[in-house]
Amino acid sequence: EVQLVESGGGLVQPGGSLRLSCGASGFTFSDHHMDWVRQSPGKGLEWVGRIRNKANSYTTEYAASVKGRFTISRDDSKNSLYLQMNSLKIEDTAVYYCARRAYSGGYCDYWGQGTLVTVSS
Amino acid sequence: DIQMTQSPSSVSASVGDRVTITCRASQGISSWLGWYQQKPGKAPKLLIYGASSLQSGVPSRFSGSGSGTDFTLTISSLLPEDFATYYCQQANSFPITFGGGTKVEIK
Repeated sequence: EVQLVESGGGLVQPGGSLRLSCGASGFTFSDHHMDWVRQSPGKGLEWVGRIRNKANSYTTEYAASVKGRFTISRDDSKNSLYLQMNSLKIEDTAVYYCARRAYSGGYCDYWGQGTLVTVSS
Repeated sequence: DIQMTQSPSSVSASVGDRVTITCRASQGISSWLGWYQQKPGKAPKLLIYGASSLQSGVPSRFSGSGSGTDFTLTISSLLPEDFATYYCQQANSFPITFGGGTKVEIK
């Protein structure tokens, strides 16, 4: 069974940093590109970024709203995905989901349960 | 960036109704369109990819159509478990973008 479990969310002050983790199981993690998607309270879905697999040199893509502040990385030996968030802003408050990109294209076929990040003073 | 516009933003329907949700892209995206269902407090679930392909395990009452800029998601006969919010997503180019969502509510 495919499982994705996020952790690391919490309360952080504006300008602070936080690192989210996502543990994967039930599939060959190293084969898949992985995404982060967020959802502000009561709002819609916002794509944050993607990291490709080793075959694609672990290259990354980011939304303009987080580029230069957030960094996606992965450790295939630990079946883990990470999101390093720096210079956090109030508008970064959201539930952050990690998601597996499907082989069928740029869609996410499995998602974690999400972890809440609250940026507030 | 490609803007995705969904309509309506909400719809009230009864069990057994046929429901159609529309998604329009600000520029052509071929068939690079997915649909997701999200229930309160839960992660999104992929329903349709490639505009019209049914994700494994998704009931056949869900169907998708369209190409280019105009797409539809149809639920042929609503069941109680289908009351949720639905999002379209383009996978044609970065940044990946989602529609604003359509909430399907009980009439």
